[in-house]
Amino acid sequence: DGGITQSPKYLFRKEGQNVTLSCEQNLNHDAMYWYRQDPGQGLRLIYYSQIVNDFQKGDIAEGYSVSREKKESFPLTVTSAQKNPTAFYLCASSIDTDTQYFGPGTRLTVL
Amino acid sequence: RKEVEQDPGPFNVPEGATVAFNCTYSNSASQSFFWYRQDCRKEPKLLMSVYSSGNEDGRFTAQLNRASQYISLLIRDSKLSDSATYLCVVNPLLSGGYNKLIFGAGTRLAVHP
Repeated sequence: DGGITQSPKYLFRKEGQNVTLSCEQNLNHDAMYWYRQDPGQGLRLIYYSQIVNDFQKGDIAEGYSVSREKKESFPLTVTSAQKNPTAFYLCASSIDTDTQYFGPGTRLTVL
Repeated sequence: RKEVEQDPGPFNVPEGATVAFNCTYSNSASQSFFWYRQDCRKEPKLLMSVYSSGNEDGRFTAQLNRASQYISLLIRDSKLSDSATYLCVVNPLLSGGYNKLIFGAGTRLAVHP
């Protein structure tokens, strides 16, 4: 089946630890995105990539890093510099800059 | 003023009722609009795209009012399975560079028997 997968579904991070969230898509979409969702707020854009080997900061990139070495993959690393990382992280992809399709999400909790 | 604003609700309605949500946006140049549905602790899923004056899909109708800068979502004959949060999404089509989507915080709908 075509789609977007994210892993893990749940992730727990200790203070000072870096963690990496996986996002893979087999939809042949050029563009991929990472969002963060907090209760009562709209999705906020962390990073986006319009093409392989290129990515741009979104609105809240501080404390996060990404790579786009393959079209299918766009992993997100939450570094220890991110002071409030507990949130629901959503990866999306699109064939153009309009309609985006989301993966199932990763729920990150800081212990 | 937020770029995209929605009434958070919740809207509590009985099965079979008709319910409507509004969403206002601040950028008058915006060209494309979407409604996504998000179930509790799940990812948003595209419900409808709105590119001109409106769009209809079964029990769901989305309308766009450019003069007043709002879009609406009408749900007729509500089902229990319609209970979810409905996200309003706007593409502001800024000049130059990437056009990012702006997400509203969502309107929660609860349909009861």
